[in-house]
Amino acid sequence: EPEVTQTPSHQVTQMGQEVILRCVPISNHLYFYWYRQILGQKVEFLVSFYNNEISEKSEIFDDQFSVERPDGSNFTLKIRSTKLEDSAMYFCASTQTSGQGVSEQFFGPGTRLTVL
Amino acid sequence: ILNVEQSPQSLHVQEGDSTNFTCSFPSSNFYALHWYRWETAKSPEALFVMTLNGDEKKKGRISATLNTKEGYSYLYIKGSQPEDSATYLCAFNPGGYNKLIFGAGTRLAVHP
Repeated sequence: EPEVTQTPSHQVTQMGQEVILRCVPISNHLYFYWYRQILGQKVEFLVSFYNNEISEKSEIFDDQFSVERPDGSNFTLKIRSTKLEDSAMYFCASTQTSGQGVSEQFFGPGTRLTVL
Repeated sequence: ILNVEQSPQSLHVQEGDSTNFTCSFPSSNFYALHWYRWETAKSPEALFVMTLNGDEKKKGRISATLNTKEGYSYLYIKGSQPEDSATYLCAFNPGGYNKLIFGAGTRLAVHP
């Protein structure tokens, strides 16, 4: 069964360093998302992406964050200068269609980012 | 601010017990309500996507109901098994580009 994959599973970095989290969505999906969960808190929406551009982003998704679909398969989240508070589990998700919220979102297993 | 609440926070039951949990969400601007099952170190797995008031969905021993007018959904598990142990997340979609707003989850432990 097709699945969303994410690499790495765990990333440790120093404060101020840049990190790139990678995701391979399901191949025929068109809409892509990043969410994160800080330990002990709810899963939070970061950004949605369609047709090579951001379609919606949250207040969390400031200028330190960017997303890219550099080729036909990968979907990346870059954090330019990491802060301690960026430590979280980051999830990638994809859907085949927009469907006004009725489309199931398929999630990857997450990347745990630890900023020291 | 759109807020989704789930209760209880955690639940311990014996194998064979039936159980249910609640998700509360804003009743305005409703498009869909999603239920996910999330086991540690695995991907959250979609259980149901519900859109219509009064909707009931079923997958094996798990079922869910939806009341969009009062803003709540119930998830039921009949005859719980140890493999049902997981965190159950609900997520509200207020329309737009499919942004999901999650509750904190209900952590279920089923003891043999």
